[in-house]
Amino acid sequence: SQQGEEDPQALSIQEGENATMNCSYKTSINNLQWYRQNSGRGLVHLILIRSNEREKHSGRLRVTLDTSKKSSSLLITASRAADTASYFCATDERSGGGADGLTFGKGTHLIIQP
Amino acid sequence: GAVVSQHPSRVICKSGTSVKIECRSLDFQATTMFWYRQFPKQSLMLMATSNEGSKATYEQGVEKDKFLINHASLTLSTLTVTSAHPEDSSFYICSARALYTGELFFGEGSRLTVL
Repeated sequence: SQQGEEDPQALSIQEGENATMNCSYKTSINNLQWYRQNSGRGLVHLILIRSNEREKHSGRLRVTLDTSKKSSSLLITASRAADTASYFCATDERSGGGADGLTFGKGTHLIIQP
Repeated sequence: GAVVSQHPSRVICKSGTSVKIECRSLDFQATTMFWYRQFPKQSLMLMATSNEGSKATYEQGVEKDKFLINHASLTLSTLTVTSAHPEDSSFYICSARALYTGELFFGEGSRLTVL
C-alpha cells in the first residue's frame, strides 16, 4: 500500500514562480528521495536526503525533511516550462533501506504555464 | 551514468496471450531488480523484488503465477505477464540496484495494452 502522500495532487503556476510540493510518510526511514516523471516516461532521480539531514540543495531544487513530522517538501525555484511533470517522493520505509523496493507517494502533477 | 534498458517500450497484445518485458542493466551489475506497475495518473506500486539466481518476492495481492519474474543474470530480469487481460494494461517500470554502489536506477518503462 502507498505510504507517502503528496500534496497538492496538482499544481499549476506561472513560469518564473516557485513551486512547492509536500510529502508525508508513515514509518521511520533512512532516506527520502524525489523523482520527476514526464508523461509516459521513466523516472528521473532528483535528489536524496538522509534522515539525519534537514535540508539539501541541488541547483534550483531545495528539499527539506522533518522526521518529527514525517514530512518532506520539494521547492523548485524560478520554474520553467520544462519543469512540467509529475513529482514523486519515495522512501525506504519498507525495510530500513536495504533490499526492498521504494515506497512511492501519490505524486504531484506540476504544470508550468508559459 | 548508469543505464537501465527496458524492452519493449510499448507492446499491444490480444487478451489471453503472454507478454515478456525485459529489464537490462547496460553498464553495471545489479544484485536486485524491482518491478513496479503504474496505472494512468497514479503512483508506482511495487509488484515484486527479484534477486539474481533466486525466486522473486511478490508483494501482497500480486499473483506470482500471472506475473512470472526471472532474474537469470546480474544484468537481466524479465517479467512475463501470462494470459494477459485488459485490466493488466499498465505502465511497467523496472529498477536495478547496482552491485557495488547500491545506487538505484530506473528503466524508461514499458507500456502494455491488452485488447
